[in-house]
Amino acid sequence: GAVVSQHPSRVICKSGTSVKIECRSLDFQATTMFWYRQFPKKSLMLMATSNEGSKATYEQGVEKDKFLINHASLTLSTLTVTSAHPEDSSFYICSARSGRGYGYTFGSGTRLTVV
Amino acid sequence: EDQVTQSPEALRLQEGESSSLNCSYTVSGLRGLFWYRQDPGKGPEFLFTLYSAGEEKEKERLKATLTKKESFLHITAPKPEDSATYLCAVQASNAGNMLTFGGGTRLMVKP
Repeated sequence: GAVVSQHPSRVICKSGTSVKIECRSLDFQATTMFWYRQFPKKSLMLMATSNEGSKATYEQGVEKDKFLINHASLTLSTLTVTSAHPEDSSFYICSARSGRGYGYTFGSGTRLTVV
Repeated sequence: EDQVTQSPEALRLQEGESSSLNCSYTVSGLRGLFWYRQDPGKGPEFLFTLYSAGEEKEKERLKATLTKKESFLHITAPKPEDSATYLCAVQASNAGNMLTFGGGTRLMVKP
C-alpha cells in the first residue's frame, strides 16, 4: 500500500529554537503534500499545502514565517517550526495522495512539545 | 463554504452492540468522501472512499454508505479493538486536493 513516513514522532525543544519535521512518501511520488495541526480531542486543521518545486499555499491565519515548508523533491516535504513557543505545542500530521485508491495517506504524526 | 459535521461526538457501546456514525456534509460538488480511523497519538488510517450517492463499501465489521447529504459508518458487532476516533472528510470539486474534516466521533467499545 501507499506509505507516508513522518519523523520524528516526538520532539521536545526549548522555547526560541527551531524544529524540523520530515514527511516522506516511501513507495510513491507526491507532487502535493499537506500539513495539518491537531489539538487534543479535536479534528485536523489544514495548515498548508506543500507543492513540489514551488511555494507552499498557507491557510488563512497560519503564519508563513513561523511554519516554513519546503518540498524539494517528489518524496519529501519538511515543516520547520521557527522560534518555537509553548503555544506551538501540538500534534502535527502530514499527508499525501498516492492515487492508488487509498485516498489520502497520512503520516504517523509528530508530537511537538515546546518548553 | 464546505462543511462537515459528525455525530455523535462520542459513542459508548457494549461489545456486540451494533450502531452507526453519521457524517453530514455541505459542499459545492462532491469529488469524494473519506472515512478514517485514528488511534490516540497516531495519524489517521484510511478506511473508505465513496464517490457517489448510493455507493456502499465494506471492510470487516465496517460498512460505509453515502447519500447526497450524508454518509453513515455502520459498525456491526463491534469489538473493543474498534475503539478509536472515526473521522470523515470531503473533497469538493472546486477545492483541488484539499480535504475538509469533520470533528470526529470518539468510539469506545466496552467488553
